[in-house]
Amino acid sequence: ETGVTQTPRHLVMGMTNKKSLKCEQHLGHNAMYWYKQSAKKPLELMFVYSLEERVENNSVPSRFSPECPNSSHLFLHLHTLQPEDSALYLCASSQDYRGLNQPQHFGDGTRLSIL
Amino acid sequence: AQKITQTQPGMFVQEKEAVTLDCTYDTSDQSYGLFWYKQPSSGEMIFLIYQGSYDEQNATEGRYSLNFQKARKSANLVISASQLGDSAMYFCAMREANNAGNMLTFGGGTRLMVKP
Repeated sequence: ETGVTQTPRHLVMGMTNKKSLKCEQHLGHNAMYWYKQSAKKPLELMFVYSLEERVENNSVPSRFSPECPNSSHLFLHLHTLQPEDSALYLCASSQDYRGLNQPQHFGDGTRLSIL
Repeated sequence: AQKITQTQPGMFVQEKEAVTLDCTYDTSDQSYGLFWYKQPSSGEMIFLIYQGSYDEQNATEGRYSLNFQKARKSANLVISASQLGDSAMYFCAMREANNAGNMLTFGGGTRLMVKP
């Protein structure tokens, strides 16, 4: 139990569907992150939020839309995805986003498959 | 250029033996942090150990220790007395002080398989 919970664990969707991934952290952290992990590629940072404000956006396609309503919850809204978007999506949190020595705590991930 | 390089895609180790997983990094910052994570087949990334660039001693956490050689820019993870549950992917990551977004840059990972 890492204190970061992601739902659903698995998701299969068609390219025209709209779905959302949810992340909740129970650690009292101020920063939250979305990562994409594709086969045979290093983890890619997608979005960073600090106190509900986006602080980093690494040129992610607009078909991925993040939402952070409060410091404990983070969503990733998905629409009109492509087959290459199939991957493991990991959520993480840390005390704050500037601390050099602060580890990020990850959830179990959502394994997404696009048909 | 790759910021984090893990040259061993896969490693085998006999149960109860020690194993070293290699990690080299590239940065021009004087202040940075190095992390190791474990990812079992379930997908969760588990934080193992941290080494700061100014730390004079090698970090240790239970059976995990970090062989930090700053001049060579290497931060190898040593796992002592391997257990079957250590079988997983292991990722080395770095955070640089001048990286305003607090981005963790990950290596490609090493798959460790512990043999009974």
